[in-house]
Amino acid sequence: AQTVTQSQPEMSVQEAETVTLSCTYDTSESDYYLFWYKQPPSRQMILVIRQEAYKQQNATENRFSVNFQKAAKSFSLKISDSQLGDAAMYFCAYRRAQDFGNEKLTFGTGTRLTIIP
Amino acid sequence: DSGVTQTPKHLITATGQRVTLRCSPRSGDLSVYWYQQSLDQGLQFLIQYYNGEERAKGNILERFSAQQFPDLHSELNLSSLELGDSALYFCASNAGGGVGEQYFGPGTRLTVT
Repeated sequence: AQTVTQSQPEMSVQEAETVTLSCTYDTSESDYYLFWYKQPPSRQMILVIRQEAYKQQNATENRFSVNFQKAAKSFSLKISDSQLGDAAMYFCAYRRAQDFGNEKLTFGTGTRLTIIP
Repeated sequence: DSGVTQTPKHLITATGQRVTLRCSPRSGDLSVYWYQQSLDQGLQFLIQYYNGEERAKGNILERFSAQQFPDLHSELNLSSLELGDSALYFCASNAGGGVGEQYFGPGTRLTVT
């Protein structure tokens, strides 16, 4: 079974600085997708960024970028120029690429990010 | 706004009772997923429906059941409720296949007293 591990329950960063959240996963599959979701105090789950395992290039979305190390099964999220609105729980998630129609997400336990003004 | 709606937003009920949570997927989406998030934990996959048929099951309790109707909305039924069933229940949807990006509803917070 696939597992996702987030070893940092809490992180904090000064506003405008850069922070990196860690995620590791375990899978025997070679083709899969990885995601970072943000959950602000409103509890809404918001997709931040996704990465296809077959792509070597790291995904980037504005101030958010990932460092995807397939051999190490590592998928970290870097937030640049941190803003107060970035304060939230961040969840790393995994999904197999096979099994059309069976696309369950496996989530890590989350990292609570605090932004210090 | 993800386009996925869930009702009710909050639900308070007593142990032993039965409740129904409702989810309407985004327009055109055929797949619906249900997840449970207990206090300050990650989301646990419960069940998936695709175009009216059950497609995948996670660690869903026998006391829980779900279905997807012809208009593609879905309901999650929770019965013989226990205190430990208190949680946020999320519904997500997508078109099925492809990159697998799922769009989440706002969730239903269930409190069992």
